[in-house]
Amino acid sequence: QVQLVESGGGLVKPGGSLRLSCAASGFTFSDYYMSWIRQTPGKGLEWVSYISSSSSHTNYADSVKGRFTISRDNAKNSLFLQMSSLRAEDTAVYYCARGGTHYVREPLDYWGQGTLVTVSS
Amino acid sequence: QSVLTQPPSVSGAPGQRVTISCTGSNSNIGTGYDVHWYQQVPGTAPKLLIYGNYNRPSGVPDRFSGSKSGTSASLAITGLQDEDEADYYCQSYDSSLSGSVFGGGTKLTVL
Repeated sequence: QVQLVESGGGLVKPGGSLRLSCAASGFTFSDYYMSWIRQTPGKGLEWVSYISSSSSHTNYADSVKGRFTISRDNAKNSLFLQMSSLRAEDTAVYYCARGGTHYVREPLDYWGQGTLVTVSS
Repeated sequence: QSVLTQPPSVSGAPGQRVTISCTGSNSNIGTGYDVHWYQQVPGTAPKLLIYGNYNRPSGVPDRFSGSKSGTSASLAITGLQDEDEADYYCQSYDSSLSGSVFGGGTKLTVL
């Protein structure tokens, strides 16, 4: 069965960096677009970034552009989010989610359980 | 301020029908991009509920249905059950942002 397991969250000071990982299993990881979505405690969902199956296409929400970098290792079935210059407003639960095989606009059909990132001094 | 607009809350008694609207613009829903809906029970990850405007993934009861017209979409839930109490989010693609956009979410309360 499809499984996505995020890790790497934690407490970090403003201006600091953190690298999130998402371990995928149960499907051919290299065939799928992948995304990161975050959810501020008690608030709604915000798309953060996506990466195409071959890493040829990526994009970011304006709120994180220039500070976050998405990447993947298809050989290790892993997705990453390198976060730098972190701000208090980046505090959220970060989910990785599986997209489609052809287009970024396909639905996110499987989600991980999320990892909490807290940015505070 | 989400790109897609949803009502903050809706409610209904068991057995009743409720609808949740999702209003976008000509850079997302109005362009023809599909709308997807997610259900999130508090403390858990979102779950895909409706994809491609009206399609249900395997295992989703047919009490849930989706529709789309113009720059808006709707999620309808008939025969409300206690277990339907959750947050519901719509999602689409926005060409001006070149990325996904979500609605602000709607909290469904089963009275």
